[in-house]
Amino acid sequence: GAVVSQHPSRVICKSGTSVKIECRSLDFQATTMFWYRQFPKQSLMLMATSNEGSKATYEQGVEKDKFLINHASLTLSTLTVTSAHPEDSSFYICSAHSGTSVYEQYFGPGTRLTVT
Amino acid sequence: DQQVKQNSPSLSVQEGRISILNCDYTNSMFDYFLWYKKYPAEGPTFLISISSIKDKNEDGRFTVFLNKSAKHLSLHIVPSQPGDSAVYFCAASADGQNFVFGPGTRLSVLP
Repeated sequence: GAVVSQHPSRVICKSGTSVKIECRSLDFQATTMFWYRQFPKQSLMLMATSNEGSKATYEQGVEKDKFLINHASLTLSTLTVTSAHPEDSSFYICSAHSGTSVYEQYFGPGTRLTVT
Repeated sequence: DQQVKQNSPSLSVQEGRISILNCDYTNSMFDYFLWYKKYPAEGPTFLISISSIKDKNEDGRFTVFLNKSAKHLSLHIVPSQPGDSAVYFCAASADGQNFVFGPGTRLSVLP
């Protein structure tokens, strides 16, 4: 099946710094990529939807200036957590949608962010 | 208000028996439903899907049942295996692209 990679898998950063997480579709072109966040023992929460070449659509309550999303190509989307705080510590997961089928949404392995 | 609910946070089943994971939703516009399986520190893996035109979909040991009038779906795993131990998420969508996830149910299959 299709493969989506995320880099890095784990990152520890200090408060106030920015962290960039990459999401790549390795063997298909992803017209749409989604970014999710999962808090411990909670469900995946959709943060934003990004379409290649256009601005991301953020879900209510997600700060667009804090979570910068760039979908520069059909195989790469990046999420930058700016001025990170300890409460931003979480598991961030991306998924990519090829647009050919409703069910073809492939998830990356996730990135564990810890802000100290 | 949660649109997709999985009221059992955890479930333990003996190996070889049937596992039944339940999911309820409130939005009558939802017409695509997916089940994902997630191991710790990994991204979710798509398991099985069902659209609202069906009431059952089967794939090997996994069967999903949809009761539209009750806004309820369930995932049956039979026979359950230790490797099935994971967190199972139910997800629903009204447009086939944006999905709302339930909180998940942790399944433990005991040998």
